[in-house]
Amino acid sequence: SQTIHQWPATLVQPVGSPLSLECTVEGTSNPNLYWYRQAAGRGLQLLFYSVGIGQISSEVPQNLSASRPQDRQFILSSKKLLLSDSGFYLCAWSGTLLNQPQHFGDGTRLSIL
Amino acid sequence: AQKITQTQPGMFVQEKEAVTLDCTYDTSDPSYGLFWYKQPSSGEMIFLIYQGSYDQQNATEGRYSLNFQKARKSANLVISASQLGDSAMYFCAITHSGGYQKVTFGTGTKLQVIP
Repeated sequence: SQTIHQWPATLVQPVGSPLSLECTVEGTSNPNLYWYRQAAGRGLQLLFYSVGIGQISSEVPQNLSASRPQDRQFILSSKKLLLSDSGFYLCAWSGTLLNQPQHFGDGTRLSIL
Repeated sequence: AQKITQTQPGMFVQEKEAVTLDCTYDTSDPSYGLFWYKQPSSGEMIFLIYQGSYDQQNATEGRYSLNFQKARKSANLVISASQLGDSAMYFCAITHSGGYQKVTFGTGTKLQVIP
């Protein structure tokens, strides 16, 4: 069966520090991969998605970047974190068919001090 | 552009009763899919139920059913026989056909089940 791993679970970082969040998927090949951010009490905002290795699409201009160095690995990065980068970050994968749901990792709670 | 509207920020339901969570959507795509997800306080997003735009029958999954009214562009989630463990945020989402599965989420409804 397919599983998705996302780490770390929580992270506290100072303003201006770099960021690297990692997500890996097991049990499937060529998944679509996604990074979302969720502000407290709000819905999910799509940040990046990827349909293949090295293929990254950005939905919202921001202080963040994403990379997909391997088929089942998706990384969210920042060179210098801002206070506004605080939030709950979720990685997800899906198949390519319309009726296939997205499957989410457990999320990372990022606090910027 | 696609849009999901969930007008109920919070709902209460008595344990063992049924509850309906509202969702309306807007899309110009003829082919689309509608999903409901549950997010407990721990944060993970759990897929509950799916309805395709061309599906003739309303989707059901155990205690979850989807009241799909295409002409009204609504896809309400019905939870029967509510349990305390159903207390969570519930998100409606829409996806459209294309090279990837881009999903637009609503703002969510917080459901609290009262013993």
